[in-house]
Amino acid sequence: DVKVTQSSRYLVKRTGEKVFLECVQDMDHENMFWYRQDPGLGLRLIYFSYDVKMKEKGDIPEGYSVSREKKERFSLILESASTNQTSMYLCASSLLNLQGINSPLHFGNGTRLTVT
Amino acid sequence: SQELEQSPQSLIVQEGKNLTINCTSSKTLYGLYWYKQKYGEGLIFLMMLQKGGEEKSHEKITAKLDEKKQQSSLHITASQPSHAGIYLCGADPLNSGYALNFGKGTSLLVTP
Repeated sequence: DVKVTQSSRYLVKRTGEKVFLECVQDMDHENMFWYRQDPGLGLRLIYFSYDVKMKEKGDIPEGYSVSREKKERFSLILESASTNQTSMYLCASSLLNLQGINSPLHFGNGTRLTVT
Repeated sequence: SQELEQSPQSLIVQEGKNLTINCTSSKTLYGLYWYKQKYGEGLIFLMMLQKGGEEKSHEKITAKLDEKKQQSSLHITASQPSHAGIYLCGADPLNSGYALNFGKGTSLLVTP
């Protein structure tokens, strides 16, 4: 089974702090994703990466950056945390799509971040 | 951009009853994925549908894809408390195999 591991289940940070959320997958997947999930808004894509050192903006990249130095690890960085970034953050990975054969996303258990 | 609308938003059913959750897309569906989320946890992949008319089953859960209607349904037969959670549909907006758009979810509670 694919395992996607997020380093923290719960995190409390202060406004203005730099925050790192780490995600590791063990199935050699090419694609990795960061979402945030908020009540009433559902899941929204922040960033994704389809290869090492590659990144693409999702729907809501403002206030975030990412790093993918190794294939198995995808980090989400909040440069200066703000209270509106309090949310559940979900990491996911998937195989690269080849010839129209889609591969489902596999999710980690999430990190619930509170910014005070 | 593609929007996925799920109905109903929430559902309370008695154990043993059947139920259906719908997911309607505003654009062409290239693939439709169903996930289940336990409260406060990550999403668990249930099923993937790629062709119009396709139907898949796993245990007591059946999903169907109606490509013409741009719609998918998830049907649970003889519901159990273990079925409780949030069900989300996801779709690939560009047939790229990359990031999915998701519906906002249907919250299911199964009462004894």
